Amino acid sequence: QMQLQESGPGLVKPSETLSLTCTVSGGSMSNIPYYWGWIRQSPGKGLEWIGTIFYTGSTDYNPSLKSRVTISVETSKNQFSLSLTSVTAADSAVYYCARRSGDYYHFSSWGQGTLVTVSS
Amino acid sequence: QSALTQPPSVSGSPGQSVTISCTGTSSDVGSYSRVSWYRQPPGTAPKLMIYDVTYRPSGVPPRFSGSKSGNTASLTISGLQAEDEADYYCSSYTSSNTHVFGTGTKVTVL
Repeated sequence: QMQLQESGPGLVKPSETLSLTCTVSGGSMSNIPYYWGWIRQSPGKGLEWIGTIFYTGSTDYNPSLKSRVTISVETSKNQFSLSLTSVTAADSAVYYCARRSGDYYHFSSWGQGTLVTVSS
Repeated sequence: QSALTQPPSVSGSPGQSVTISCTGTSSDVGSYSRVSWYRQPPGTAPKLMIYDVTYRPSGVPPRFSGSKSGNTASLTISGLQAEDEADYYCSSYTSSNTHVFGTGTKVTVL
C-alpha cells in the first residue's frame, strides 16, 4: 500500500517561493501510470486542486494558479514536488499530496497534509 | 473554474438517511461519470468514499451510495452513524483536463 508524506518549510515570507516535496513509500513511482497531485485547503475553507503530473512528466494546472505553479517529478527518488511563486497570505493553507490512478479520475491516496503559513 | 455547489450543512438522527447534492455545469459534472466524493473528519486528510459517481472503494460500507442526474451529483448516507459526522466534498474531472472540488458540506449527526 503506497503512502505519501509531504515535507517542506512551514513558514514562507510574502513574495517568496513555496516549495514542498511529497515522498512516496511502499512502491515505485517509475513506469507506473499514476498521476501525482497537489491539493490545498485554506484554514476553515474547502479543497482546491492545484495541479497534477503524470509519471511521464506531463502536467495539468488549475487555471487560477497556472502562472505561479510548477509541479515536477523525480522518480529515482520516489518524490514529486510543488513550487508556488510570489506567495501571499492567501496561499496559507494545508497542502496535501495525493495519487490518482491513470485509468481513473479520483484521488485514492492522500498524504496527511502539511500546514504552510505565509507571513513576514 | 468555479467550485461545485454543495449545501453548507445537512443533519440527521442516527439511523436516518441524508443526501448531499453537488451541482456543477455541463463542462464538469454533466460531462462525464467522473464524480467522486471524499469524507474529511476534523484535522484529517480527505478519504475517498465514492468514485465514478456510484462506485465504492474497498472498505467503504454499502450505506454510502452515489448518483447523478444532469449537472447534479448526490451522495446518500443511509443508516446514519455518529462516525459519519464530518465534512464531505464532491469532485469532478472537467472537459479542460482539470479537477474541481465542491464547496463542502458539514454532516451533523443529531
